[in-house]
Amino acid sequence: AQSVTQLDSHVSVSEGTPVLLRCNYSSSYSPSLFWYVQHPNKGLQLLLKYTSAATLVKGINGFEAEFKKSETSFHLTKPSAHMSDAAEYFCVVRNNFGNEKLTFGTGTRLTIIP
Amino acid sequence: DAGVTQSPTHLIKTRGQQVTLRCSPKSGHDTVSWYQQALGQGPQFIFQYYEEEERQRGNFPDRFSGHQFPNYSSELNVNALLLGDSALYLCASSRPGQGTYEQYFGPGTRLTVT
Repeated sequence: AQSVTQLDSHVSVSEGTPVLLRCNYSSSYSPSLFWYVQHPNKGLQLLLKYTSAATLVKGINGFEAEFKKSETSFHLTKPSAHMSDAAEYFCVVRNNFGNEKLTFGTGTRLTIIP
Repeated sequence: DAGVTQSPTHLIKTRGQQVTLRCSPKSGHDTVSWYQQALGQGPQFIFQYYEEEERQRGNFPDRFSGHQFPNYSSELNVNALLLGDSALYLCASSRPGQGTYEQYFGPGTRLTVT
């Protein structure tokens, strides 16, 4: 079984300040982890992915995430928020055992304050 | 390079009716997955098609069925629509064997059941 918990349903930060979106996962097997972003009325876009290589993963638009097995966490960070970062963010887990099913968290809505 | 496309964009149906949603995968992809995203929730896995057969299925009733064609495009059919079927339906395509099983999402079909 696999599951994802996004610890904050809503995060607000000021433009230019750091962003932290928290995610904990549960997986019976060695997982792959992803962060997707969804802008209003748009499809899901992959931000970054962890697939058992480097534990610090860099993605698009300045985002990065660190896989911490001991803490079963995969938090998303960005040093400086931009207005265009306002969107819904989903943490996603997939077991690496011949199973491509993606399990999504409930999402974190990021608001950027001008 | 065309990404994942879905049609129609929006659809309004009445309870008890049947609906068909369509998806064309990204060029070079042969696997299609369908997800249901209710308002304010993360996407939920419905099923996945590969080589014209259903390979995996999530916790959805038999009212939800699908099909994959030889050109890898896919349809999602929902019978006896309920108000609770109102959601954004997302299609994702991928190509097994490339290691990361990255799924690319289409913009979705917004289904409203009245």
